[in-house]
Amino acid sequence: DAKTTQPTSMDCAEGRAANLPCNHSTISGNEYVYWYRQIHSQGPQYIIHGLKNNETNEMASLIITEDRKSSTLILPHATLRDTAVYYCIVRGRLTAGKSTFGDGTTLTVKP
Amino acid sequence: GAVVSQHPSWVICKSGTSVKIECRSLDFQATTMFWYRQFPKQSLMLMATSNEGSKATYEQGVEKDKFLINHASLTLSTLTVTSAHPEDSSFYICSASAEDRGETGELFFGEGSRLTVL
Repeated sequence: DAKTTQPTSMDCAEGRAANLPCNHSTISGNEYVYWYRQIHSQGPQYIIHGLKNNETNEMASLIITEDRKSSTLILPHATLRDTAVYYCIVRGRLTAGKSTFGDGTTLTVKP
Repeated sequence: GAVVSQHPSWVICKSGTSVKIECRSLDFQATTMFWYRQFPKQSLMLMATSNEGSKATYEQGVEKDKFLINHASLTLSTLTVTSAHPEDSSFYICSASAEDRGETGELFFGEGSRLTVL
């Protein structure tokens, strides 16, 4: 697995954009960047993933640098319900199930 | 996205008893499911990979005779914690990838099952 590095915690004001960074400098050419989040006492939730291009869905946007060594998850208008631990995982598509969950970033959205 | 459901959400049992947790893929077939354990304030730790119709693959340090996994159909995997002890108290989570729907490796997780062993 490519190792990922995320800040331990971040705060964000409600209604503002939350930008969560992830460094993955040892990523391989066939490895995807996946983002998940886990709200307290719940199972993790898939958010978004990408390979090279930036991606957007109804939940978030994923910006991947051109060299693919880092990425940023953007929650465009954070709400209190977005308070969670956010995990950035880098893995090949066929082996995604063996993903290693690090400590993630604890995002706290404040009113 | 695909839906994965776990049951029960929480269970309390006496030390020495066995507990079964079910993981179902509701709208897709999952040839492979994954089981994790999560202790308070810690991240998820992969316990085993559950393969439909064959034996599960356990991660290093996970006792296969204590954590029995059965994946008898394409939509159901079960984890049985045998002879549970207080140190087995944890949050157990399953996941699956919807490979038959052409999904590109993203995992869909169950709601989790909180086990408390008295």
